[in-house]
Parts: sequence; structure tokens; C-alpha cells
Amino acid sequence: RKEVEQDPGPFNVPEGATVAFNCTYSNSASQSFFWYRQDCRKEPKLLMSVYSSGNEDGRFTAQLNRASQYISLLIRDSKLSDSATYLCVVNPPGTYKYIFGTGTRLKVLA
Amino acid sequence: SAVISQKPSRDICQRGTSLTIQCQVDSQVTMMFWYRQQPGQSLTLIATANQGSEATYESGFVIDKFPISRPNLTFSTLTVSNMSPEDSSIYLCSASAYSGNTIYFGEGSWLTVV
Repeated sequence: RKEVEQDPGPFNVPEGATVAFNCTYSNSASQSFFWYRQDCRKEPKLLMSVYSSGNEDGRFTAQLNRASQYISLLIRDSKLSDSATYLCVVNPPGTYKYIFGTGTRLKVLA
Repeated sequence: SAVISQKPSRDICQRGTSLTIQCQVDSQVTMMFWYRQQPGQSLTLIATANQGSEATYESGFVIDKFPISRPNLTFSTLTVSNMSPEDSSIYLCSASAYSGNTIYFGEGSWLTVV
């Protein structure tokens, strides 16, 4: 099993739709989780950290489900500008490394 | 947040040559990493750059091919040695204040080997 797994997509959704991505991780003791956004031919940029209690920033909500070992990202009222690849990142315990998922491609259609 | 500058931003290199990428962070950071992102792929960790000591390489990456320096807390270099077309990729420098904290990226160095 991969350390971090994501559905690569693409997810094609109409403007205004709500879309959700999941990311599973293999190490149950992992403590730090993040969602990054990567635009085509650009570097990844932090979208949001994922806390045990969940995290909401405007149209974006991130949640952690420890029992099932996954994190989720919910995007409400999708905009054309949300089109990008969303990367799940996990910092496993006892290590300084950051493990990236393969990314989920989102395309918001007009 | 940390601002990370990388150079060169892009280069076209001849097969068999070597190229050194520089990474400068605007603040002292504990962790610095080098990633590779091949076309259409996600990020793969090459190594962790350790200040004042040899880098820690991931499986599949070796020091002879990817020598790394980190002379202080704000600067690191990655050399891609004896390049082949398979080394054509984006190389990303990243940094974090400490393990588990947010990781920030430079804009990447786009290498094409011909």
C-alpha cells in the first residue's frame, strides 16, 4: 500500500458545483496533514493545513478521519479558477519527510 | 512563511554535462529538501539537505548523481551530474521551519536535457 494515495481524476465539474476529494494514508500515527494546490507549470502552494478538528477557509473545508485514515477536501461553489491539481501531503511520525500523493486534477467547466 | 528563490529557473542542457541549481531561503530554516517532478507526475523526494553534513538520500537517488550542499541554514545547492534525457524534469527546492510544519517551495528549475 502506498504511503499516500489519491484518486488522480480528472474531476470535471460545472461552475457552482460542490466537489470533494479524499486522500488515504498508511501510517496511522501520522500527525501532520496538508492540502496543496498546484497550477500547471507552477510550484505547489499551501492551500490549507488539516487539523484534527477540521479546518474551514471560505469555500474550502478540510477534514481528518483518523479511524479510516483519510483526509478530505471539500470545495463549495466551484470557480473556474479552482481548476488545478490538489496534492495531499502527509508528514509521518518520527520522520522529517513530507510524502506527497499523486494529486487529484480538478477542472471546473463554464 | 518563507520565500524561496531558485536559479536557474530553466535551462536546456547537453547530454553528459552537469548543472547546479541554487536555492536561497529568506529566513533560517531547519529543514531543506530537494524534489523532482517529472512530466505529469507528482513530487518525488530526492534528498534532505542537512546543514554541515552529507545529505540524506531517498531510495533510487545517489550522491554521485545528485550531489547536494548546504553550507548554512538558508542556502543549498543540487547538482544534476552527467545528465541524460531522463533527467529532464522540474527540480524543486523546499523548506520548512521544523518537522511537521508547513513546507514551502521555490518556483522550480525546469531542466531539459538534449
